[in-house]
Amino acid sequence: DQQVKQNSPSLSVQEGRISILNCDYTNSMFDYFLWYKKYPAEGPTFLISISSIKDKNEDGRFTVFLNKSAKHLSLHIVPSQPGDSAVYFCAAKGSGGSNYKLTFGKGTLLTVNP
Amino acid sequence: DGGITQSPKYLFRKEGQNVTLSCEQNLNHDAMYWYRQDPGQGLRLIYYSQIVNDFQKGDIAEGYSVSREKKESFPLTVTSAQKNPTAFYLCASRQWDRDSGNTIYFGEGSWLTVV
Repeated sequence: DQQVKQNSPSLSVQEGRISILNCDYTNSMFDYFLWYKKYPAEGPTFLISISSIKDKNEDGRFTVFLNKSAKHLSLHIVPSQPGDSAVYFCAAKGSGGSNYKLTFGKGTLLTVNP
Repeated sequence: DGGITQSPKYLFRKEGQNVTLSCEQNLNHDAMYWYRQDPGQGLRLIYYSQIVNDFQKGDIAEGYSVSREKKESFPLTVTSAQKNPTAFYLCASRQWDRDSGNTIYFGEGSWLTVV
């Protein structure tokens, strides 16, 4: 049972345009969401996060939106740059007794074309 | 520099052999984790440890073992009982704090290939 889903395995955008990466979750007990960026053969690096009590968090070119009623979050990258090309993982943290771990989606490969 | 160091980066193992992956962190984090990544898959939790001398099984613990004798170290042993050990292994850590401990930080990963 996949609790965090990234339904688009890949996304291709032009440099300078907006990249929108989507993530859906099924567990209403998740209370914190994170996005990680990963290059091949490297560990994921933390990008941006959002608490379930908020609906938006912004950090430079990166903005994460959370729609709790739809159990959906998205990562917007504006403007997209070739260096943003990587796999992006959505992750969710449980609450209460499940707050020890993050549950990850399968990732979306973003390619930003010059 | 503070961070998480995994070694070796690349490791080859013969079938039937155990192998241990090292993970050291100098971030003074309480919690440490081992994840596994397979092609086209997300990160799956193998084991985690919230404090020294304590660890818990994650979602895919079969065929693996860990120890947490020191706060900064969390080695993972891939035993011969693990049926599909070839994968990319990621160690991570997190400060165990109710208010600020929501972000897990990862090491650079270790590639294990069974030959």
